[in-house]
Amino acid sequence: GQNIDQPTEMTATEGAIVQINCTYQTSGFNGLFWYQQHAGEAPTFLSYNVLDGLEEKGRFSSFLSRSKGYSYLLLKELQMKDSASYLCAVTTYGSSNTGKLIFGQGTTLQVKP
Amino acid sequence: SAVISQKPSRDICQRGTSLTIQCQVDSQVTMMFWYRQQPGQSLTLIATANQGSEATYESGFVIDKFPISRPNLTFSTLTVSNMSPEDSSIYLCSVGGDSHNQPQHFGDGTRLSIL
Repeated sequence: GQNIDQPTEMTATEGAIVQINCTYQTSGFNGLFWYQQHAGEAPTFLSYNVLDGLEEKGRFSSFLSRSKGYSYLLLKELQMKDSASYLCAVTTYGSSNTGKLIFGQGTTLQVKP
Repeated sequence: SAVISQKPSRDICQRGTSLTIQCQVDSQVTMMFWYRQQPGQSLTLIATANQGSEATYESGFVIDKFPISRPNLTFSTLTVSNMSPEDSSIYLCSVGGDSHNQPQHFGDGTRLSIL
């Protein structure tokens, strides 16, 4: 089966750094995506990891360890607008070659002044 | 990335009725997907909308309940049939994912409430 775990909620302070973890147990793992979803809005793409290591994009970085089934999203210099849900999603090799996404339950991040 | 328009943006429906949601993209895309997001939950894939052939449904979702059309490379519809309060959700279409490393991009969703 497929299992993706994230903390349900996190709270952090404006200007700080926060790390959101995601662990997965999936057969045929291919790669891992992070999405941001503000309340009442559609998810937007943040990052993608397929190889082990860190991918950096401005204030956001994402890390993957395939051997440990583990990823994290690191948000630096937190801003109030970063208050949102962060969704971890994996793609797997299956009967088709398309990037079908399996989502974790999402982590709701609240940034406080 | 492609501009994705979903209609309606929200609706309130009576139990037992059906509603068709439209997803229009401003460019031709190979892959289109339909997701459900129940209140306070994450996204669950309903089906992959295949152009010119029947949709591919995920476990727990059936064609009779969620018929999907994909008449061309820019348009798809999802019908939620014989609705019950449990169908109250946000329904989202997405495009992309042509390969494993291509991100999907989402429409704004349809917020559906069943009375």
